[in-house]
Amino acid sequence: AQSVTQPDIHITVSEGASLELRCNYSYGATPYLFWYVQSPGQGLQLLLKYFSGDTLVQGIKGFEAEFKRSQSSFNLRKPSVHWSDAAEYFCAVGADTGRRALTFGSGTRLQVQP
Amino acid sequence: DAMVIQNPRYQVTQFGKPVTLSCSQTLNHNVMYWYQQKSSQAPKLLFHYYDKDFNNEADTPDNFQSRRPNTSFCFLDIRSPGLGDAAMYLCATSRGSQPTSEQYFGPGTRLTVT
Repeated sequence: AQSVTQPDIHITVSEGASLELRCNYSYGATPYLFWYVQSPGQGLQLLLKYFSGDTLVQGIKGFEAEFKRSQSSFNLRKPSVHWSDAAEYFCAVGADTGRRALTFGSGTRLQVQP
Repeated sequence: DAMVIQNPRYQVTQFGKPVTLSCSQTLNHNVMYWYQQKSSQAPKLLFHYYDKDFNNEADTPDNFQSRRPNTSFCFLDIRSPGLGDAAMYLCATSRGSQPTSEQYFGPGTRLTVT
């Protein structure tokens, strides 16, 4: 069964600083990887996804993520964080066999300091 | 705008008193999902409908039921809520259940059990 680990429960960065949120997955075949963002009291919004091809994927709001098969990672990055980026970020993996639902990581809460 | 709507946004119920949460969508997606998200945890899939076909997760308690009377609406029924059922309940939709299908989330209903 697939699993997702987000090692950082909480991260604080200064506005304008760069950001990297870590995500490691466990899945036997090629994973389908997603990053979602959840603002307080809101549902989840898809930031970006990776299925195949170029391992560096661009998403909305200036985010990007890089798939590294050798490290089983799919880290999310942003070169310059804005105060509005403060939210909870979830990495998720989808499977192409059997159970089709997404498996989410436990999330990383991002705080942005002025 | 096409969207996923959840009502109510906040629901308070008493221990053991049945409660129904509702979800509607204007996206005309054929798949609808219900997730449970407890505080500081990842969303956990309870069940989903592929058209009218109901798919229950193996570890979803019998206390949780769902109805989908038509494409647009889906309901989550909790027959006898316990204190442990207090959580955010997220509804999501997708066009198809392929692992590449993007899921669109509603804002969630926060359930409090007193």
